Amino acid sequence: GEDVEQSLFLSVREGDSSVINCTYTDSSSTYLYWYKQEPGAGLQLLTYIFSNMDMKQDQRLTVLLNKKDKHLSLRIADTQTGDSAIYFCAERWSDKIIFGKGTRLHILP
Amino acid sequence: DAGITQSPRYKITETGRQVTLMCHQTWSHSYMFWYRQDLGHGLRLIYYSAAADITDKGEVPDGYVVSRSKTENFPLTLESATRSQTSVYFCASTDQDTQYFGPGTRLTVL
Repeated sequence: GEDVEQSLFLSVREGDSSVINCTYTDSSSTYLYWYKQEPGAGLQLLTYIFSNMDMKQDQRLTVLLNKKDKHLSLRIADTQTGDSAIYFCAERWSDKIIFGKGTRLHILP
Repeated sequence: DAGITQSPRYKITETGRQVTLMCHQTWSHSYMFWYRQDLGHGLRLIYYSAAADITDKGEVPDGYVVSRSKTENFPLTLESATRSQTSVYFCASTDQDTQYFGPGTRLTVL
């Protein structure tokens, strides 16, 4: 069945770039998403990419999509302490959205 | 204000009691969803609804009941709460492109 995989933890030094990776299984997914969850809060949509796109850039965020490998990545440039959160990759499959388990981004001083 | 709201935000109950979590959205989105979030499991879909009076089971529906008599409301009921249902519950609604989440309800079952 459909599945979304992502690593559970990532540590990055403040000011460096963070790259969070995700793989998904359904090649017919129409949209792929990145959500951010800060402690004690709900999920906030960061960005999304339509499946016919390869890349999308929005200020410090760059999303890359490799459809052949079913691989999605989120790059955060100049990582700040406020970027510390859990990042969820998700794919839209039929009328549902399937989430990965989330990657906890830890910022090192 | 427009958006998606959940109530209560925090709830403590006892094993065996019935609990209803409320979800309300002002966008008139057709689709609505209930998830639970637990450490090590990420988000798991409990139930979803494509429209008023249409509901479907998700990944973990056992022990939960939903209804959708009006487009804007999607309550989730735990008919007889168990400790394993201690979790954070998120409601969401979807437009054509994107899923929007409520702030969550933290439920503790003692």
